[in-house]
Amino acid sequence: EPEVTQTPSHQVTQMGQEVILRCVPISNHLYFYWYRQILGQKVEFLVSFYNNEISEKSEIFDDQFSVERPDGSNFTLKIRSTKLEDSAMYFCASSDGGISGNIQYFGAGTRLSVL
Amino acid sequence: GDSVTQMEGPVTLSEEAFLTINCTYTATGYPSLFWYVQYPGEGLQLLLKATKADDKGSNKGFEATYRKETTSFHLEKGSVQVSDSAVYFCALSDLSKAAGNKLTFGGGTRVLVKP
Repeated sequence: EPEVTQTPSHQVTQMGQEVILRCVPISNHLYFYWYRQILGQKVEFLVSFYNNEISEKSEIFDDQFSVERPDGSNFTLKIRSTKLEDSAMYFCASSDGGISGNIQYFGAGTRLSVL
Repeated sequence: GDSVTQMEGPVTLSEEAFLTINCTYTATGYPSLFWYVQYPGEGLQLLLKATKADDKGSNKGFEATYRKETTSFHLEKGSVQVSDSAVYFCALSDLSKAAGNKLTFGGGTRVLVKP
């Protein structure tokens, strides 16, 4: 069964450093998403991406965040200058956009720890 | 905006007990409704979905019915197993707003099934 893969599984960084979280969505999907889950809290939407541009972003997704689809397979989330409060599990997801009711398939997540 | 409210956990049950997790939603459009499950140390997996009023989603013995009149999508299972121990998330996606619309999650309910 096709799956979304995320790397790395765990990223440790110092406050102020840049991090890039990587995702390989399911190959025939057109919509891509990033969500985050702070420990013990709900899963929060960050950004959605379609046709090589951001289609929607939340208030969390400020100027420190950016997304990119650098080639035909990868989808990345960059945090330019990490803060302690960026520590969370980050999930990538992809979907076909609604053909199946917009089922979003999630990766296993990247745990980001900002020290 | 859209929102999802689900009962707080943890819910602790004995094996073969009946499980209900309440979920209610607020949406201005016509959302699709989902239950996702997160097993320890893993990402989010789709458990079941319903795309319109009165639809019943079912999978692995779990069921949920889309009730528009009560804006609810309660999850039920008649006889739980230890392997059902996980965190369960209710979510919606309003495709009437946009194709590939984001998921809005409830806070999650942790379920612990004891042998």
